[in-house]
Amino acid sequence: DTGVSQNPRHKITKRGQNVTFRCDPISEHNRLYWYRQTLGQGPEFLTYFQNEAQLEKSRLLSDRFSAERPKGSFSTLEIQRTEQGDSAMYLCASSRTTGGAWEQYFGPGTRLTVT
Amino acid sequence: GQQVMQIPQYQHVQEGEDFTTYCNSSTTLSNIQWYKQRPGGHPVFLIQLVKSGEVKKQKRLTFQFGEAKKNSSLHITATQTTDVGTYFCAAGGSNYKLTFGKGTLLTVNP
Repeated sequence: DTGVSQNPRHKITKRGQNVTFRCDPISEHNRLYWYRQTLGQGPEFLTYFQNEAQLEKSRLLSDRFSAERPKGSFSTLEIQRTEQGDSAMYLCASSRTTGGAWEQYFGPGTRLTVT
Repeated sequence: GQQVMQIPQYQHVQEGEDFTTYCNSSTTLSNIQWYKQRPGGHPVFLIQLVKSGEVKKQKRLTFQFGEAKKNSSLHITATQTTDVGTYFCAAGGSNYKLTFGKGTLLTVNP
């Protein structure tokens, strides 16, 4: 179990630029989640995949955000035309479908700073 | 949508004192999970509660789920400096997504 990995760990970008983050979940986990966390707040749900299917997307998520999980393994989250309000920690988590406890395993996150 | 409120927002204790954080919802929860996030770290799963009135213990940590499944608590006995961090409750919903509270930041004075 190598855990959930995320790249890059830090990203500084100028307003208006596009950024893409990658998440590699735990290999046997078929559920993958993206969250956003700002200082002093809990993680906020963005979107969820089961295998390659994106099953839910937060209504708070603007059209500038898009996520993919093309082969049901790794996932990418792209933010187009970044704004200063997008500055946050972006967390990826994965979980399995079998068993009674479906705890989520979080990656270390990608910290985005938009200048 | 589902919302969970956590209190207190901050708690500072002397090492050896007890600590409790509370999580409340206006709606009945199907289940609740608790996570710990160390400063600069990511959330780490602690426990899941599913049944009404459920109580689970992990060493010095005791987790409770209310009879009405609308509230939960985490109690730490005799805090240690290693307990420092933010404790989040998270309500489990459809598609197994979690709705997190704002968390309780615990600091421990040695």
